[in-house]
Amino acid sequence: EDQVTQSPEALRLQEGESSSLNCSYTVSGLRGLFWYRQDPGKGPEFLFTLYSAGEEKEKERLKATLTKKESFLHITAPKPEDSATYLCAVQAMGNTGKLIFGQGTTLQVKP
Amino acid sequence: DAGVIQSPRHEVTEMGQEVTLRCKPISGHNSLFWYRQTMMRGLELLIYFNNNVPIDDSGMPEDRFSAKMPNASFSTLKIQPSEPRDSAVYFCASGGVYTDTQYFGPGTRLTVL
Repeated sequence: EDQVTQSPEALRLQEGESSSLNCSYTVSGLRGLFWYRQDPGKGPEFLFTLYSAGEEKEKERLKATLTKKESFLHITAPKPEDSATYLCAVQAMGNTGKLIFGQGTTLQVKP
Repeated sequence: DAGVIQSPRHEVTEMGQEVTLRCKPISGHNSLFWYRQTMMRGLELLIYFNNNVPIDDSGMPEDRFSAKMPNASFSTLKIQPSEPRDSAVYFCASGGVYTDTQYFGPGTRLTVL
């Protein structure tokens, strides 16, 4: 069964304190791995798509990496506005359209 | 550009009543997805359409749920009759022809009393 597990469930950082969020997955052939950001009361906002092991993508203070079993979302020198829930999702080969989401990591960055 | 539009944003109803949620996808997108988000189960895919045709409805909880997409710019998710356990945030998302990325709407928060 395809499955996504995110850790930690919650993370509290001081402004400027870099850290990483983990997304472990088991899927019958990975088509793509997606990272989304969700603010309270809003829909998930797309951040990155990764397709193959070794791939990396960056956006401002965020960098996503992918291996054959997990993905990391690295946050460098975070700011309070980076506080949100970060969701990871996988799409299996031959299962176009269907995303399986993890439970998310809620990040709080204190000034 | 307008994103995915959902209505209503909030819905409070009583058990047994019919509920209809509405979604307008991003113009030009050919895939549409309905998700449900709860604290216990997270974000779950209910059904998705490609070119207005339902492709996978295996996530629809039971026969009380139905979804339609009569044209490329409109979809509905109906719950009849509604039950308290249906209380959740329902999201609609759409995707383009040449991308796997799904873009989410703001959601409808449903409360069934």
